[in-house]
Parts: sequence; structure tokens; C-alpha cells
Amino acid sequence: GDSVTQMEGPVTLSEEAFLTINCTYTATGYPSLFWYVQYPGEGLQLLLKATKADDKGSNKGFEATYRKETTSFHLEKGSVQVSDSAVYFCALMFNFGNEKLTFGTGTRLTIIP
Amino acid sequence: DVKVTQSSRYLVKRTGEKVFLECVQDMDHENMFWYRQDPGLGLRLIYFSYDVKMKEKGDIPEGYSVSREKKERFSLILESASTNQTSMYLCASSLPGAHNSPLHFGNGTRLTVT
Repeated sequence: GDSVTQMEGPVTLSEEAFLTINCTYTATGYPSLFWYVQYPGEGLQLLLKATKADDKGSNKGFEATYRKETTSFHLEKGSVQVSDSAVYFCALMFNFGNEKLTFGTGTRLTIIP
Repeated sequence: DVKVTQSSRYLVKRTGEKVFLECVQDMDHENMFWYRQDPGLGLRLIYFSYDVKMKEKGDIPEGYSVSREKKERFSLILESASTNQTSMYLCASSLPGAHNSPLHFGNGTRLTVT
């Protein structure tokens, strides 16, 4: 079945460090790909998305590029802030048929000042 | 701004009790979802609904049922709570065509079954 694999956490970085959180997927066909973020005590919210190969999603300094050849959608940010501390979820959804999101297990990120 | 409201932030119930988790959204969204979130497992879909009185099983429906009598309200029911249903429950809603319309999540209900 369809699945999403994220790098194991937790990840701890110093402020202003470069961030990469790896995400790969297994799916029959070409899904849309998403990153959702969950700040402490809150529900998830959409961070960015890409709907086709080579698309780049970006928001709040975060970027991810849909790589069909490597079935990947890695999340990157050039300089992280303490306020980026959260749990990050990679997810996929197919564009046709049912509209279910399949999530990865989540990666907890902690940024220390 | 879309608001998805879950009626309880924390719940403690006993094994065998019938439990209702309520979710209300205020943006006239057709789609509504119930997920559970567990460490190391991420979010897993329990049930979802595309319209009033419609429901579809997700990936882990066993031990749960749902009710959608009104468009804005989607209830998750644990007919006989068990300790393995201790979890964080997240409700979400979206417009149709959810690959272009994001899911909007509530803040979650942390359920403990003792």
C-alpha cells in the first residue's frame, strides 16, 4: 500500500543551523505531497505542498521539492529559529479518488538558542 | 479563519464505557476526518465523511463508529472503550478536492482509558 517514511527523530539543532528532514514515499501513481507542522499544544497545519514532479513548495522559509526519480520530498530551511520547534509530518494524497491523507510518523524538531 | 473545535481537550474514561468525541467546524466543509495520533506511528485515519449521513472506514476503524447528522458536526464513538484506545484524537475538515484545499485540524482530544 501507499506509505510515507520520515527520518527518525528527535532532531535537535542550534539556532541558525541548516535543517533537512528526509521524507520518501511509496505509491502507485503520482500523488500530491505535503508537509504539515504541529506546534506544541495545537493541531496540525499545512506548511507547504507540491502537486506534481519537480514542483517546489515553500512557506515561512521552508522548502521542499517533489523528486519523482527518488520518490522524495525532503524539507529544508536555511536558518532555523527557536519558533520552528515543532513536530513535522510528511504526507501524501492522490489527486483522484478518495481524498485521504497518508501521514508519516512525524519528526520532532527542537531548536536551542 | 476556519475553526475546528473539539469539545474536550482531555478525557479520562473507564474500560467498557461508551465514549463520544465531538467535533464541530464552522466553514461549511463537506469533508471531515477522525485521526488518532500515537508516538512512533504518526497519524492514522479512523473514519471519514464526505457529506451528511455519509461515512467511510479509514485504516483502523475497529472499535470505533461515527455519526454525521449535520454538516458541521462529526462525532467519533467508542462503543466500549479499551485501554488500547488511549491516544490523542484529531478531527479535521476540508473542502472537496483536498489536494488543493488543506485539511484544517482541531487541537485534539487526549483520551485516557483506565
